[in-house]
Amino acid sequence: KAGVTQTPRYLIKTRGQQVTLSCSPISGHRSVSWYQQTPGQGLQFLFEYFSETQRNKGNFPGRFSGRQFSNSRSEMNVSTLELGDSALYLCASSLLTGGIETQYFGPGTRLLVL
Amino acid sequence: DAKTTQPNSMESNEEEPVHLPCNHSTISGTDYIHWYRQLPSQGPEYVIHGLTSNVNNRMASLAIAEDRKSSTLILHRATLRDAAVYYCILRDVRGDGNKLVFGAGTILRVKS
Repeated sequence: KAGVTQTPRYLIKTRGQQVTLSCSPISGHRSVSWYQQTPGQGLQFLFEYFSETQRNKGNFPGRFSGRQFSNSRSEMNVSTLELGDSALYLCASSLLTGGIETQYFGPGTRLLVL
Repeated sequence: DAKTTQPNSMESNEEEPVHLPCNHSTISGTDYIHWYRQLPSQGPEYVIHGLTSNVNNRMASLAIAEDRKSSTLILHRATLRDAAVYYCILRDVRGDGNKLVFGAGTILRVKS
């Protein structure tokens, strides 16, 4: 099976712009989670979508939003970009096996805000 | 979410076993112990998980203390490819949905 794919892999934006990142989960996986990774804060959970519904949300401002489509593909959007939004954005899809959900991460999208 | 404590960094020689410790003194009875690792320039990858008994898979072994307040990830023969940041994470089996809470992890350096 193909792994989790994320597009684009690299992105440069300027302050005030908005950005949309895309994630295609592993076939058959219905849950998609998003994480932000920065040198200062490490890996932080943004939100999770399951069957097109947000199931969990982390502690991020409303500028960060996401959605999931019927084919389980997910997008996240960041509006009014700030310099501090420069980060690696990781997407993970998961499968429930034996009562445990294991997450499979994509390679990430590296966003630079200038 | 219950907290875990790991050493900031460890060093190992290639071809030797590596024992990566994790303390989780506030673990609850329904917390599973998960390990993920992140190789340079990649997303994290699942390594292993366990509840009470020791676990083995093709990547590693997980040794869990009898009181479950600590655990050790064992790489039986470290290779250069095992150089990564290793994260020990507790996940409540009763939790609704997915949310991994990552700490700082342990940076493992492997010397040839």
